[in-house]
Amino acid sequence: NAGVTQTPKFQVLKTGQSMTLQCAQDMNHEYMSWYRQDPGMGLRLIHYSVGAGITDQGEVPNGYNVSRSTTEDFPLRLLSAAPSQTSVYFCASSWLLAGQETQYFGPGTRLLVL
Amino acid sequence: SQQGEEDPQALSIQEGENATMNCSYKTSINNLQWYRQNSGRGLVHLILIRSNEREKHSGRLRVTLDTSKKSSSLLITASRAADTASYFCATDDGGSNYKLTFGKGTLLTVNP
Repeated sequence: NAGVTQTPKFQVLKTGQSMTLQCAQDMNHEYMSWYRQDPGMGLRLIHYSVGAGITDQGEVPNGYNVSRSTTEDFPLRLLSAAPSQTSVYFCASSWLLAGQETQYFGPGTRLLVL
Repeated sequence: SQQGEEDPQALSIQEGENATMNCSYKTSINNLQWYRQNSGRGLVHLILIRSNEREKHSGRLRVTLDTSKKSSSLLITASRAADTASYFCATDDGGSNYKLTFGKGTLLTVNP
């Protein structure tokens, strides 16, 4: 199993550009989520999904869109990149069943917005 | 807003010593989890403790939970240089078990 994969590993954008960060998992997890990690801020939840067709906002959703058309994939879209979105982005997944709450993280995407 | 807050922010010890990190949180929880992050990598789950548990062990890790004080501690015994990493506590919101809030982490450095 590949676990949770993220692409790209690193991306440079100009202000105003849009892009999609890809996340895929092969563990048949119902729950998927996106976090951003900034120095000194820990991880903050952007959006999450409890199954295909179901998404919801986390703590810092502004400027980001998500969709969940399949169980495996959960892409994160930056609509119009801003320097404040420079960060490291992590995707994570888990089962919803009680006792199976361990979240599995991808390796991260490092984004620089100029 | 941050639910869990780790203390200290940074900790430097010698190999073989024990390392203790603390986490405080604000609202009722179902579970508390600890994760490790090596530099430049994703987070890796270490241990989960439920709100009705007071102590849990996994190898060299010992986690305690005091729900009356809304706090938890992670003890790493006989530390190794390979334990050098950032450690995060993560809590749910007492409703769902899966929607986690992470603290800012403790950076542990274990010197050979």
